Amino acid sequence: SYVLTQPPSVSVAPGQTARITCGGNNFGSKSVHWYQQKPGQAPVLVVYDDNDRPSGIPERFSGSNSGNTATLTISRVEAGDEADYYCQVWDSSSDLPWVFGGGTKLTVL
Amino acid sequence: QVQLKESGPGLVKPSETLSLTCTVSGGSSISSAYYWGWIRQPPGKGLECIGSIYFSGSTFYNPSLKSRVTISIDMSKNQFSLKLSSVTAADTAVYYCARSEAAGSPYFGSWGHGMLVTVAS
Repeated sequence: SYVLTQPPSVSVAPGQTARITCGGNNFGSKSVHWYQQKPGQAPVLVVYDDNDRPSGIPERFSGSNSGNTATLTISRVEAGDEADYYCQVWDSSSDLPWVFGGGTKLTVL
Repeated sequence: QVQLKESGPGLVKPSETLSLTCTVSGGSSISSAYYWGWIRQPPGKGLECIGSIYFSGSTFYNPSLKSRVTISIDMSKNQFSLKLSSVTAADTAVYYCARSEAAGSPYFGSWGHGMLVTVAS
């Protein structure tokens, strides 16, 4: 089955830029989606199709996908951005095509 | 704006069947061309997709759970359901229902609030 690899944790100071990576094979052929999950809450889609934002998501959230790595970039990080972030792809060759990464805990110092 | 809400018992005994229902509201019909999915999250762990059902009734199941899982759809009630049989403590988790786009590269754009289900005697 397809595997997505994320770092367990990323730390950043307020006002700085956070970059959360997601690795997988042949990423260039897949679109990557990103979810934010705050404690006790359901996940929220923050980026879809590599670099599109749903309505209501700040422009500070952006994504990129190149080679075997996708990156979620959060500019001008705020305390409220502290959360777990999950990447997800659709892998049509898998029995269950929605594949999630293991998640990254973003800590705002 | 579509809304999804999970309902069902919050406590299930070991070896019994976990049954949850997701009610869809807010103007979105379950007969629309979307996938309707179940995702769970054990305490302190990541997201695990359990399975999904297309409005036509076709299903996808997580291979590790396939022998125990059934997802069904009830268009008359605008609901879809999850049944997970022979549960153990390892099935204790927050269970989310969600709606996924069907075109392109599907993603879960709308989620329910989630429901904690504990497996214990």
